[in-house]
Amino acid sequence: AQSVTQPDIHITVSEGASLELRCNYSYGATPYLFWYVQSPGQGLQLLLKYFSGDTLVQGIKGFEAEFKRSQSSFNLRKPSVHWSDAAEYFCAVGVTGKLSFGAGTTVTVRA
Amino acid sequence: NAGVTQTPKFQVLKTGQSMTLQCAQDMNHEYMSWYRQDPGMGLRLIHYSVGAGITDQGEVPNGYNVSRSTTEDFPLRLLSAAPSQTSVYFCASSYDRQAHEAFFGQGTRLTVV
Repeated sequence: AQSVTQPDIHITVSEGASLELRCNYSYGATPYLFWYVQSPGQGLQLLLKYFSGDTLVQGIKGFEAEFKRSQSSFNLRKPSVHWSDAAEYFCAVGVTGKLSFGAGTTVTVRA
Repeated sequence: NAGVTQTPKFQVLKTGQSMTLQCAQDMNHEYMSWYRQDPGMGLRLIHYSVGAGITDQGEVPNGYNVSRSTTEDFPLRLLSAAPSQTSVYFCASSYDRQAHEAFFGQGTRLTVV
């Protein structure tokens, strides 16, 4: 069965600084990979996805992620965070339509 | 364009009570699913459906029932609520099982006392 690990439970970053969220997955084949963001009291919104092809994928809100097969990783990055990026971020692996989520990383943005 | 609509947004139940969480989507998606979100555990799949009349169990199905009589609706039933079912429940839909890109509802926060 597939699994997803997000090693960082909570990250605090200054506004304007760069952000990187880590995600490692375990799956036998090439997975479908996703990053979702959840603002407080809201549902999940898809930031970006990787199915195949170019290993650097661009998403919404200025986010990007890089798939590294050798490291079984799919890390999310943003060059300069905004206060509105404070949220919880989930990495997920999709297998036959079923999503397996990591435990999430909460991002706090300080002024 | 409503997307995925969940009702109610909040609910308090007493132990042993039953209730149905409603989920409807207007995108003509074949694939629908229910997740529960608990602190430190991410989202876990409860049940899913690949089309009208077809449902299957996910990772944590015990204590929950589902049915899919139409493409649009996928209700989740709690037969006899337990405090362990206190959670935030999310319904999601996607075009089909290969599409994977899931659209989520706003969630239902359930407290069982």
